[in-house]
Amino acid sequence: DAKTTQPPSMDCAEGRAANLPCNHSTISGNEYVYWYRQIHSQGPQYIIHGLKNNETNEMASLIITEDRKSSTLILPHATLRDTAVYYCIVTWGKSTFGDGTTLTVKP
Amino acid sequence: GAVVSQHPSWVICKSGTSVKIECRSLDFQATTMFWYRQFPKQSLMLMATSNEGSKATYEQGVEKDKFLINHASLTLSTLTVTSAHPEDSSFYICSAMLAGPQETQYFGPGTRLLVL
Repeated sequence: DAKTTQPPSMDCAEGRAANLPCNHSTISGNEYVYWYRQIHSQGPQYIIHGLKNNETNEMASLIITEDRKSSTLILPHATLRDTAVYYCIVTWGKSTFGDGTTLTVKP
Repeated sequence: GAVVSQHPSWVICKSGTSVKIECRSLDFQATTMFWYRQFPKQSLMLMATSNEGSKATYEQGVEKDKFLINHASLTLSTLTVTSAHPEDSSFYICSAMLAGPQETQYFGPGTRLLVL
């Protein structure tokens, strides 16, 4: 199963773009890249997913490299409410949710 | 769209009693639902996979007789914690999978269980 690697923490200034990287070098051809976030004491919230092409929705943009070995989640204008743990997922299983990246948006 | 609800949002019970948690997909049908558990300062761990009309598949180390799962309809799965003990106190979260090749899971808000 494909695994993901994310930096443990990142800071971002309010109003600036937050770029969260994820490495998934063992991803297989039919596996999607999913991004979720978990705000304290809540269930994970779906953000976006993609297979090959870059994707954009009302929450974020997802940039997937051509070789699909890494991706970047972009929050274009981070707010204080975007402070959360962000998870990059390619395979669902027992330990799908690793440590993620704790994003702290600062005033 | 793709909203999942859980009930109750929190529950306090005495040791030895049983607690039932409901998970509903409100605006879509889910043939597969999942139950996770999250202890303080830890990540979510998958407990079991629930398929509509069939027996749940439990992850290694999860007691199937203690955590009873029923998925009787395409929009409802229940988790019953039987003979709860303080060590079962945790944050229980369900998810429902939207049918299709993309396997996107949508999560409920979670149920916080405290066993005294």
